[in-house]
Amino acid sequence: GNSVTQMQGQVTLSEEEFLFINCTYSTTGYPTLFWYVQYPGEGPQLLLKVTTANNKGSSRGFEATYDKGTTSFHLQKASVQESDSAVYYCVLGDQPGNTGKLIFGLGTTLQVQP
Amino acid sequence: DTTVKQNPRYKLARVGKPVNLICSQTMNHDTMYWYQKKPNQAPKLLLFYYDKILNREADTFEKFQSSRPNNSFCSLYIGSAGLEYSAMYLCASSSRGRRGTEVFFGKGTRLTVV
Repeated sequence: GNSVTQMQGQVTLSEEEFLFINCTYSTTGYPTLFWYVQYPGEGPQLLLKVTTANNKGSSRGFEATYDKGTTSFHLQKASVQESDSAVYYCVLGDQPGNTGKLIFGLGTTLQVQP
Repeated sequence: DTTVKQNPRYKLARVGKPVNLICSQTMNHDTMYWYQKKPNQAPKLLLFYYDKILNREADTFEKFQSSRPNNSFCSLYIGSAGLEYSAMYLCASSSRGRRGTEVFFGKGTRLTVV
């Protein structure tokens, strides 16, 4: 079936350090891949999405490239800020069809220290 | 206004008692979802309404009920709460039909069953 794997439970960085969060997925067909971010006290919100293989999604300095060969969709940011502290979810759009159903990874909690 | 509102934010319930959680959206979205989030687990889809049609996930089919009296409102009902229902419940909405459509989440209701 469809699934998403995120390995890191918690990442602690200092401001201006590089962020890299692993994500791999398993599905058939042509998936839509998302990164959602959840700030404290808020619901998850869309950070970026990619619908075409080998394409890159980007938003607010974050980037993720959909690699069909390695079935990966890693998230990265060159220089994090304290305001980036949040939980980051790698998410797979369920298939078939466009129901909007989402399959979440476990999430990675990012703590950025000033 | 791209908000999904959930009431209440916190709910305390007794074992064996019913629980009713409320969600509303003003984006005229045709689809509304309920997700359950437990500590150290990924958010998990419980059910969703596409227009007036209820779709429940196979493994939660008998545990949760829902109603959608109009396009804007959706409720999640637990007939007899057990300790295992303690979790964060996230309501979400989207417009179905477009691949990769954004799903908007509420802030959640934290249910504690004692």
